[in-house]
Amino acid sequence: RKEVEQDPGPFNVPEGATVAFNCTYSNSASQSFFWYRQDCRKEPKLLMSVYSSGNEDGRFTAQLNRASQYISLLIRDSKLSDSATYLCVVSFPGNTPLVFGKGTRLSVIA
Amino acid sequence: EPEVTQTPSHQVTQMGQEVILRCVPISNHLYFYWYRQILGQKVEFLVSFYNNEISEKSEIFDDQFSVERPDGSNFTLKIRSTKLEDSAMYFCASSDPTANYGYTFGSGTRLTVV
Repeated sequence: RKEVEQDPGPFNVPEGATVAFNCTYSNSASQSFFWYRQDCRKEPKLLMSVYSSGNEDGRFTAQLNRASQYISLLIRDSKLSDSATYLCVVSFPGNTPLVFGKGTRLSVIA
Repeated sequence: EPEVTQTPSHQVTQMGQEVILRCVPISNHLYFYWYRQILGQKVEFLVSFYNNEISEKSEIFDDQFSVERPDGSNFTLKIRSTKLEDSAMYFCASSDPTANYGYTFGSGTRLTVV
């Protein structure tokens, strides 16, 4: 089975807040991990890949724990423009399809 | 920046009718995909296409669905006899296997079956 589970939210946070999203995946054969952002009625867009050592891109930090099959995304200093649904996505070895979580909705409030 | 383009952006069709959703993948990409997203649900894989044939398909992709690459640029998804539950956003994507990560999604076609 290839399942990706996320807390659906919504997370309502004030501007400037720090917010963290979690994701678990069921299949230990998962090889690659990503966070995508999806705005309402738009296509998913890659936010960042997630590496075993953890990685940071500006205000965004992603962590991977393979032993616990757990991925996280931390957003610091939230902006109004961060309001979107954040999708946890995994893939498997070879050029296999992406497996999406249902997403966590974030609303950043002024 | 190269884009995956999809047409139409919105299609309304009557139940039982055939629809064809069109996609133009990025020109140097080799793998093509269709995904769908029912309103409020997760993005689900339908089918992948490589070297002019289906490389993988999901349980959703039954006999009502077919894909084609009729020429060097277009990639189409056909639904033979639409059902109400086919109403969804359909996203085309293409990828470059030579890159570390090369998935690009189109902006989607919203299909409404009435």
